[in-house]
Amino acid sequence: GAGVSQSPSNKVTEKGKDVELRCDPISGHTALYWYRQSLGQGLEFLIYFQGNSAPDKSGLPSDRFSAERTGGSVSTLTIQRTQQEDSAVYLCASSLEPRQGIEQFFGPGTRLTVL
Amino acid sequence: AQSVTQPDIHITVSEGASLELRCNYSYGATPYLFWYVQSPGQGLQLLLKYFSGDTLVQGIKGFEAEFKRSQSSFNLRKPSVHWSDAAEYFCAVGAWANNDMRFGAGTRLTVKP
Repeated sequence: GAGVSQSPSNKVTEKGKDVELRCDPISGHTALYWYRQSLGQGLEFLIYFQGNSAPDKSGLPSDRFSAERTGGSVSTLTIQRTQQEDSAVYLCASSLEPRQGIEQFFGPGTRLTVL
Repeated sequence: AQSVTQPDIHITVSEGASLELRCNYSYGATPYLFWYVQSPGQGLQLLLKYFSGDTLVQGIKGFEAEFKRSQSSFNLRKPSVHWSDAAEYFCAVGAWANNDMRFGAGTRLTVKP
C-alpha cells in the first residue's frame, strides 16, 4: 500500500509569509507525528495526534506553529509569519494506535526555506 | 519520559571495515528500541527494532543490534561497511502504552573508499 506522503516536497517562502505543509498518513494509522529536522540536527518533536484525543502540542516551538488533523487522516502544519530560523526539513510520520503498533513510518519530508 | 543518547555525532570508517554505532537509552519500563537510517535527501527508513525476546536482532541491509539491559544500550553493528551505507543513523526508544517515541540526535556515517 501507499506510504506516508507529504506535500510540497520543497517550499521557498519570504520571511513573514505563512506556509502550510501537508501530510497524508498511511491508511488505518490513527497516530500522526510532526518533526522538524534542522541542518545537521536530529529530529525535534513538534506535535502528536492520536485518534480523536487532544493533540500533544508540547513540542511546538512558538505560537506561530499550529497543526490540525481533519477527519482523523490528513494533517496540515501551519507556520505563520515565517522566520529564517524556521528553515528546516519537516517530517511527518504515522503509526498504528497505541498498544497496537509503535513503529513510525516516515514521509519524505518537506524542505522549507525562508528567505 | 524516555530519552536517547547517541554519543558519536560523526563516524568515519573505511569501506569493508566493521561498524558499531552507539546508543544509550533511559526509560523506566521495558523499552521498545529502534534504529532508523536517513540517506541524503530521503526520509527515515526503519533498519531494525527490538520489542522482546532475543536480544540480538537482525535488520535490513546486513545490520544487527544488541539490546543490553544492564548497560541500557542498543548498539548497531555491521561486519563490513559498504559505500552505500553512508547516511545518518538515528536510534529511538518508544513507550508501548502511548506511542511516545524519542529520537537521538543521530550519528552521521562517512565511508572512505
